[in-house]
Amino acid sequence: EDKVVQSPLSLVVHEGDTVTLNCSYEVTNFRSLLWYKQEKKAPTFLFMLTSSGIEKKSGRLSSILDKKELFSILNITATQTGDSAIYLCAEDVGNTPLVFGKGTRLSVIA
Amino acid sequence: EAQVTQNPRYLITVTGKKLTVTCSQNMNHEYMSWYRQDPGLGLRQIYYSMNVEVTDKGDVPEGYKVSRKEKRNFPLILESPSPNQTSLYFCASSLDGLYGYTFGSGTRLTVV
Repeated sequence: EDKVVQSPLSLVVHEGDTVTLNCSYEVTNFRSLLWYKQEKKAPTFLFMLTSSGIEKKSGRLSSILDKKELFSILNITATQTGDSAIYLCAEDVGNTPLVFGKGTRLSVIA
Repeated sequence: EAQVTQNPRYLITVTGKKLTVTCSQNMNHEYMSWYRQDPGLGLRQIYYSMNVEVTDKGDVPEGYKVSRKEKRNFPLILESPSPNQTSLYFCASSLDGLYGYTFGSGTRLTVV
C-alpha cells in the first residue's frame, strides 16, 4: 500500500490555466513534506513544508500543508509550456529515507 | 506487491573498498535510475537506463558505475568509494521515464 499518494496521475491543461496537484501522506514520524519538479533528469527541489497552514510561494508556484488532514497541494497559476514536467511529492520521516509518491505528469499545451 | 527493492538500507564502509548497492524492480519497467540526495542539494541523478544494456550518465556520474544486464536489476557500483560519496541513495523505476515513478526505500551510505 502506497504511503504517499499523488493525484491526478496525469493532467493536460492549456497555457494560462491554473492547476492544483494533490499529495496525501501518512503521519508516522512526519518531519516534512517536499515537492520536486522532474523534467529530463534529476528532480528539482521546489518546496519543503513543515508547518500546517503556512503557504510557501515562489513565483507562480505555491504550496500549502494541512497536517490535520494529512495532505498538501501544489498550485501553479498562469501555467506555461515550460511547466510541463512530472511533479513529485515526498515525505521525510526522519532517520529513514524519503518516501516518494508516484508523481503527477503535467502537460501544458499552447 | 509492485516495488523497487534496494539493498542494503544502511552501509558503513572504508575508503577504497569496492561496494555494490543492488536495485531490483518487479514491474517490468523499462526505465531505471539512480539518485543521490545531499543536504541542500536535493536529488541529483547519477546514472539512468532506458532499457537492458542501455545506460547513460546523469548529472553526477563520477566515481560510479552501473550495469543493466537484465530488465529488473540495476546495481550501482562504487569501485573505490571516497568520503564525498557519503550520501543517501535512491533507485527508481518507471514504465517509460515519463510518469509513474516508483522509488526504492533508499540506502544510507557512509564512507569513512
